Amino acid sequence: GENVEQHPSTLSVQEGDSAVIKCTYSDSASNYFPWYKQELGKRPQLIIDIRSNVGEKKDQRIAVTLNKTAKHFSLHITETQPEDSAVYFCAGQTGANNLFFGTGTRLTVIP
Amino acid sequence: EAQVTQNPRYLITVTGKKLTVTCSQNMNHEYMSWYRQDPGLGLRQIYYSMNVEVTDKGDVPEGYKVSRKEKRNFPLILESPSPNQTSLYFCASSLTGMNTEAFFGQGTRLTVV
Repeated sequence: GENVEQHPSTLSVQEGDSAVIKCTYSDSASNYFPWYKQELGKRPQLIIDIRSNVGEKKDQRIAVTLNKTAKHFSLHITETQPEDSAVYFCAGQTGANNLFFGTGTRLTVIP
Repeated sequence: EAQVTQNPRYLITVTGKKLTVTCSQNMNHEYMSWYRQDPGLGLRQIYYSMNVEVTDKGDVPEGYKVSRKEKRNFPLILESPSPNQTSLYFCASSLTGMNTEAFFGQGTRLTVV
């Protein structure tokens, strides 16, 4: 099955700086890559996703890039704010198969 | 309000005492699944269901059972819980199993002593 690796496991940035989280996947047939944000004590929630026919997608301060050749995708958060502090999970999916999650990145935005 | 509801939120039990965690969704989603979340391991899928009466194993199914008798409900059953099943459990649903957003329940923190 798919294997998704995520780095770094923890990330601290100053408020206003950018944060980048990277994931790699193993199955070249994977075609859907969502990102979930989990605030402390809360449930994971989808913040952005990208499909394999697209190289980049933006939504205000967040963007995701996908490099199919290298089998990696990244989450970019610009102008970080304290409310961006959370655990972020990447995931990969191949067709109708299951979502495989990365191990998570704990992002801390320092005011 | 569209939501996935799990119960209970917190549960402490003893080894070997059967328990059920309920999950219900009101979005008419076909696909439902159970995950466990452990520190450093992310979210790992236990079981999933593509539709009523259709269930299959995920990555870590040992020690768990599920059923899908109705579209809205997908209970997780631990027939004989053991301490290594102490974890945070999430139920999730999505419209289909393919390339669609997964909506998670609030989570159930289970402790087996």
